[in-house]
Amino acid sequence: AQSVTQLDSQVPVFEEAPVELRCNYSSSVSVYLFWYVQYPNQGLQLLLKYLSGSTLVESINGFEAEFNKSQTSFHLRKPSVHISDTAEYFCAVASGGSNYKLTFGKGTLLTVNP
Amino acid sequence: DADVTQTPRNRITKTGKRIMLECSQTKGHDRMYWYRQDPGLGLRLIYYSFDVKDINKGEISDGYSVSRQAQAKFSLSLESAIPNQTALYFCATSESRTRDDYGYTFGSGTRLTVV
Repeated sequence: AQSVTQLDSQVPVFEEAPVELRCNYSSSVSVYLFWYVQYPNQGLQLLLKYLSGSTLVESINGFEAEFNKSQTSFHLRKPSVHISDTAEYFCAVASGGSNYKLTFGKGTLLTVNP
Repeated sequence: DADVTQTPRNRITKTGKRIMLECSQTKGHDRMYWYRQDPGLGLRLIYYSFDVKDINKGEISDGYSVSRQAQAKFSLSLESAIPNQTALYFCATSESRTRDDYGYTFGSGTRLTVV
């Protein structure tokens, strides 16, 4: 069985500050890891994903996440946040080969204050 | 038009009523999913379908049923709604043939309130 733990339910930061949203997973097999973002009153959008290869993956809007197999982590970081980054962020894990299903964490609400 | 469309967007219903939430997609994906989102609990899988003839229960299927009418349509029914089914419901799709993808495309959600 696979599971995801997002260690912080809420993270308040000031604009232009750095942020890290933490995610740990458990799985007995190889995994694929994702971060999704949900802006207010919207559905979930894929932010970035790790499937294989380089352990550092980046999104188009400045977020990055690093897959750390030894620590079973996939933390999301951004060096300088904007007001528009205010949203809920979900970490997700997929395993099981071609019959994969995503298991989501409980989410982290990032609030960027001016 | 959205790739994954959910109807209705919002619905208030009474306890004991039957209600159907609908999902249609233009992605051409073969796999479809229903999740519910509750504050502080994240998204939990209700049912999923890997093709039209394949329906599977997720982690919280009790009180729900589904129908995959076509590759593009996947409906979720609450046979007798109860207040603790008040939640935000999401439909999602994925493609099994593109092994490099593994991502889901989500609809905008249906906010269901059972009173």
